[in-house]
Amino acid sequence: DAKTTQPTSMDCAEGRAANLPCNHSTISGNEYVYWYRQIHSQGPQYIIHGLKNNETNEMASLIITEDRKSSTLILPHATLRDTAVYYCIVRVALVGSARQLTFGSGTQLTVLP
Amino acid sequence: NAGVMQNPRHLVRRRGQEARLRCSPMKGHSHVYWYRQLPEEGLKFMVYLQKENIIDESGMPKERFSAEFPKEGPSILRIQQVVRGDSAAYFCASSPSEGRRETQYFGPGTRLLVL
Repeated sequence: DAKTTQPTSMDCAEGRAANLPCNHSTISGNEYVYWYRQIHSQGPQYIIHGLKNNETNEMASLIITEDRKSSTLILPHATLRDTAVYYCIVRVALVGSARQLTFGSGTQLTVLP
Repeated sequence: NAGVMQNPRHLVRRRGQEARLRCSPMKGHSHVYWYRQLPEEGLKFMVYLQKENIIDESGMPKERFSAEFPKEGPSILRIQQVVRGDSAAYFCASSPSEGRRETQYFGPGTRLLVL
């Protein structure tokens, strides 16, 4: 699986959009970009994933650059409860196979009142 | 649809005792993963199981740790003769299929404290 690079920490004002970047310059054509978050002391929570098209769900939007070497997770209206460590994971999804997730250090997002 | 369930949520053991951690996957999920998070560290994969089969145990310590996912009942992570270094949060995740967009959903974890 391709290696990812994320900033160690970020702050965001409550109510504003939080934009979390992730670099994955060695990503392969069959690798997906997944985002999870871990709120303190809780289990990781799936947020969103994508291959090459931008994706949006009720939690967030995922913007993947055309060359797929980087992506941005967008939380449109951050709340205090969005304070968490956010993990960007690049992962091969092979038909007929299910594999573990490799978590890096992630980005500690702190939403400020 | 209930999420992944883990019990107990907190477990205290003395050195040398056994710890048994249970994980019930989401309904319809047949794949279970166990991860460990040591204090102030990231999540590390331990083992991946399907019903009655261990698929990948490359992250499991070679001794004292074992896992199973029987045909009926929850998945069990067993740690024999626990030591203080086993103190950690143990998370279970489950997934529904082997398809391309397989996504893992995590439980709340079991916090193991070894005295």
